[in-house]
Amino acid sequence: EPEVTQTPSHQVTQMGQEVILRCVPISNHLYFYWYRQILGQKVEFLVSFYNNEISEKSEIFDDQFSVERPDGSNFTLKIRSTKLEDSAMYFCASKNAGTSSTDTQYFGPGTRLTVL
Amino acid sequence: RKEVEQDPGPFNVPEGATVAFNCTYSNSASQSFFWYRQDCRKEPKLLMSVYSSGNEDGRFTAQLNRASQYISLLIRDSKLSDSATYLCVVRGSARQLTFGSGTQLTVLP
Repeated sequence: EPEVTQTPSHQVTQMGQEVILRCVPISNHLYFYWYRQILGQKVEFLVSFYNNEISEKSEIFDDQFSVERPDGSNFTLKIRSTKLEDSAMYFCASKNAGTSSTDTQYFGPGTRLTVL
Repeated sequence: RKEVEQDPGPFNVPEGATVAFNCTYSNSASQSFFWYRQDCRKEPKLLMSVYSSGNEDGRFTAQLNRASQYISLLIRDSKLSDSATYLCVVRGSARQLTFGSGTQLTVLP
């Protein structure tokens, strides 16, 4: 069964450093998402991406964040200057283009980001 | 008011018990509804979509009441492997998902 993959599984960085989190969505999917989950809290939407551009973003997704689809398979989230409060699990998700009845987003295993 | 509200639990039930989870959502324009399960430190995994007429998948039954903006999940004959956090998830007119905080279930031997 096809699945979303993410690398690395765990990233430790110093405050102020840039990090890039990588995702390989399911191959025939067209919609891509990043969510985050701070330890002990709920999953929160960050950004959605379709047709090579951001389609929606939350207030969490400020100027420190950017996303890119550099080639036909990877989807990346960059945090330019990490803060302590960026420590969280970051989940990538993808969805096929379909009707609302096939409105399922499939999640990757996540990257645990720890900012020291 | 929280966009998606769930009883956090924890629910501790014996094997074989029936357990029900409830969820309310605030946006009446919400279009799609789901239950996901999340094991500790893992990704959310779709358990089932929730349809207006209600739907069943084996031991799991989901109900949706649009008038009351209320979603439920019933688990019958619970198994040890059902122990997880159950996430009520809603999609509005935009495509992103809005998650509840989850209800923790522990099934005891």
